Amino acid sequence: DAKTTQPPSMDCAEGRAANLPCNHSTISGNEYVYWYRQIHSQGPQYIIHGLKNNETNEMASLIITEDRKSSTLILPHATLRDTAVYYCIVRALSNSGYALNFGKGTSLLVTP
Amino acid sequence: NAGVTQTPKFRVLKTGQSMTLLCAQDMNHEYMYWYRQDPGMGLRLIHYSVGEGTTAKGEVPDGYNVSRLKKQNFLLGLESAAPSQTSVYFCASSYEASGTYEQYFGPGTRLTVT
Repeated sequence: DAKTTQPPSMDCAEGRAANLPCNHSTISGNEYVYWYRQIHSQGPQYIIHGLKNNETNEMASLIITEDRKSSTLILPHATLRDTAVYYCIVRALSNSGYALNFGKGTSLLVTP
Repeated sequence: NAGVTQTPKFRVLKTGQSMTLLCAQDMNHEYMYWYRQDPGMGLRLIHYSVGEGTTAKGEVPDGYNVSRLKKQNFLLGLESAAPSQTSVYFCASSYEASGTYEQYFGPGTRLTVT
């Protein structure tokens, strides 16, 4: 699976959009981009995923560049409850199984 | 619909003791996983299962065993606990293994080995 690079931490004011970047320059054509988040002491929570096109759901939007080497997760109106560690994961099926390769993610702090 | 549940939530063991962590899911998922998370780190896969009666090793399987006798349950066993196994353990499940699946996680079990 392709490696990802994320900033270790970011701040965002409540009510503003939070834009979390992820670099995945070695991504292969069959690899998806997934975003999960982990609120303190809880299990990770799926947010969104995409392959080529931009995606939007009730939680967030995912913008993938045309060359697919980077992406941005957008939380349109961040709230205090969005404070969490956000993980960008790139994966495809592999012989070693079906695991999600969690890195260290980006710690997002939403402030009042 | 409870999703993924884990038992127990907390446990303290002495070195050399054994225990079993239980994971249960009510979503009829085929795939189940056990991860561990050490402080300040991401999750690492211990073992996984692609269906009832099957198990496979993940990234860090040493010191652990697993069983999947029923589709809805995935057990993680520590035969002789060591302080290095102090961690938070997360179970997850997913419906399938296509590129579009998502994993659902349980709340975690916090294990301390003294």
